[in-house]
Amino acid sequence: SAVISQKPSRDICQRGTSLTIQCQVDSQVTMMFWYRQQPGQSLTLIATANQGSEATYESGFVIDKFPISRPNLTFSTLTVSNMSPEDSSIYLCSVEESLGGEKLFFGSGTQLSVL
Amino acid sequence: QKEVEQNSGPLSVPEGAIASLNCTYSDRGSQSFFWYRQYSGKSPELIMSIYSNGDKEDGRFTAQLNKASQYVSLLIRDSQPSDSATYLCAVNEGSNYQLIWGAGTKLIIKP
Repeated sequence: SAVISQKPSRDICQRGTSLTIQCQVDSQVTMMFWYRQQPGQSLTLIATANQGSEATYESGFVIDKFPISRPNLTFSTLTVSNMSPEDSSIYLCSVEESLGGEKLFFGSGTQLSVL
Repeated sequence: QKEVEQNSGPLSVPEGAIASLNCTYSDRGSQSFFWYRQYSGKSPELIMSIYSNGDKEDGRFTAQLNKASQYVSLLIRDSQPSDSATYLCAVNEGSNYQLIWGAGTKLIIKP
């Protein structure tokens, strides 16, 4: 499967600031996904990022709060804007691969704490 | 609303025994089913996928799917302390590549 590098691995940020999370894949992929996992919870899809088009956001997530870039088939960024303590979560990028069926693989995640 | 249900646990199993993890889903049109393992502080790791009714075995892991009952399970044989983790069930209905996630079952293997 693809190697997915995500950075930073963790950060502690002040309220009202923004953080950009980077996701690099070692092969070209069509679809990249950004997830959030709040403490003790399961995964919630934030948006789907396709190269060359606007990201598609899930209900409850908006572009102004979570702008996404997808400049090419191996890279994407997610920005968490104007952060509040409620944004403290693990943020995960993931890619879809066809390995005997479509399967989802994850980067190592970004642990974000907002003070 | 499409849902995937899992018992949150924790499920405690003695080392060497069989751990049985269960998952039910609401959408009868679901076509792909996945089990992910997530260690504390780490990202989810795909361990099994299953697409048709019956059993699928991979080493100590067996996934079981019953579409009529809308039920998928994961069996872990000869459980090891290293199997202690949260196991997430995910289901894809097939219309696009979006997974519906269960809340996860925390498994504890006791030496």
